[in-house]
Amino acid sequence: QKEVEQNSGPLSVPEGAIASLNCTYSDRGSQSFFWYRQYSGKSPELIMSIYSNGDKEDGRFTAQLNKASQYVSLLIRDSQPSDSATYLCAVGVDSGGSNYKLTFGKGTLLTVNP
Amino acid sequence: DTEVTQTPKHLVMGMTNKKSLKCEQHMGHRAMYWYKQKAKKPPELMFVYSYEKLSINESVPSRFSPECPNSSLLNLHLHALQPEDSALYLCASSQAGGKYFGPGTRLLVL
Repeated sequence: QKEVEQNSGPLSVPEGAIASLNCTYSDRGSQSFFWYRQYSGKSPELIMSIYSNGDKEDGRFTAQLNKASQYVSLLIRDSQPSDSATYLCAVGVDSGGSNYKLTFGKGTLLTVNP
Repeated sequence: DTEVTQTPKHLVMGMTNKKSLKCEQHMGHRAMYWYKQKAKKPPELMFVYSYEKLSINESVPSRFSPECPNSSLLNLHLHALQPEDSALYLCASSQAGGKYFGPGTRLLVL
C-alpha cells in the first residue's frame, strides 16, 4: 500500500514568516513529487514539481527532496494571507505512456495570520 | 496556456437521470484523467486515458462511463447515480510531469 503522509494541521504562521510543510512517502520507487495548493471550494493548483534530490526554488516557494529519507518539503517564504489554503503533497510513479500515477497526501491546512 | 476547462460548473441530478460532464484541454497533453474529490479529502483517481485509450480504471462502478472522443476532449457519462456520488469531479491532463486540474464540476445527486 503506497502511502503519503502529511500533518493535517492547521499550521498557523504570522504574515511574513516562513511556512514549512512536510511530507513523507512509503514507496521507494517513487520518481516524481509535486505540491498542489487548493483554496476552499476550488480545484488543486500545481505550484511545484521536483524530481531529483536537493532544493528547487521558484519565487517564494522552495521544494526540498531527500529520497534516502523518503521526505519532501515545501517552504513558503514571506508568507502572505493569500497563501492560506490546503497544500497537497503528491508522489508519482511512472505508469507508462506519458503519465504518472499519483498518490496524494491528505493535505495540510495553512493559515497565514495578518 | 495551462488551462483545462470543464462544464458544467454545477450539476444537480436525480438518481434516475443521465447526464454528462465535459472536459477540454489544448495543451497537447496525451494523458487525461478523471478524479473525484469529497470535502476535506484528497482527490481520488477514477480513470486515466493515455493517447485516447483507457489505460486505468480504478474499479469505478459502471454507473460512471468515461469517453475520450479525441486528444483534447474527455467526457464522463453519469447514469443512475447514488447520493453518495455527490462530490467535486475533477478533470486533469499531463505530459510526463505534473497534472493540471480543471476547475471541476460540483455534482449533487438527490
